[in-house]
Amino acid sequence: DAGITQSPRHKVTETGTPVTLRCHQTENHRYMYWYRQDPGHGLRLIHYSYGVKDTDKGEVSDGYSVSRSKTEDFLLTLESATSSQTSVYFCAISEAPRFTSTDTQYFGPGTRLTVL
Amino acid sequence: AQKVTQAQTEISVVEKEDVTLDCVYETRDTTYYLFWYKQPPSGELVFLIRRNSFDEQNEISGRYSWNFQKSTSSFNFTITASQVVDSAVYFCALSEAQRDDKIIFGKGTRLHILP
Repeated sequence: DAGITQSPRHKVTETGTPVTLRCHQTENHRYMYWYRQDPGHGLRLIHYSYGVKDTDKGEVSDGYSVSRSKTEDFLLTLESATSSQTSVYFCAISEAPRFTSTDTQYFGPGTRLTVL
Repeated sequence: AQKVTQAQTEISVVEKEDVTLDCVYETRDTTYYLFWYKQPPSGELVFLIRRNSFDEQNEISGRYSWNFQKSTSSFNFTITASQVVDSAVYFCALSEAQRDDKIIFGKGTRLHILP
């Protein structure tokens, strides 16, 4: 199994509070991703990183920011959490970009976030 | 446009039956990758297979097999002699070479294997 951990695994917070989720990898993979999973929507990409301090937006990036100061850590921040951000958040990593033969994404265990 | 459709929201079969999960994709790229992931009740996402657009050869891995047909833009997944442990949500996904680093997932098919 790929060495990916997420913390916290569960969190309940109140509307308007800031929340930071952490993804940590031990694989030294260059690419890291944050997805959210909601019923009826599958997984949707929030933000991704293609290197230290290099990030870009996914399809549902509004209300989220990310940071990557080290290869192994990718942080997802909800500056002011809303109830619509209640979801399960998955981190993923991959060694190589899409067009290479080694391209495969491996996922962390997920973080269940509830915003009241 | 890049899109993945899993028309079967939920399927139930009796153990030992064969079951096929459908996946239809849309892409303008000639170079792309298709994936299947399994999400068991425990919640983690498990990578099953990756297939690139230049390789239409079907693949078999134990009781699992995949049928990739570019002519119909489909990448279907068959489980032979299903087992209760196969109960999970299965996601098909697409990644285009021209859209670096982004995988688009289908909405998933929930598979129930009944004892």
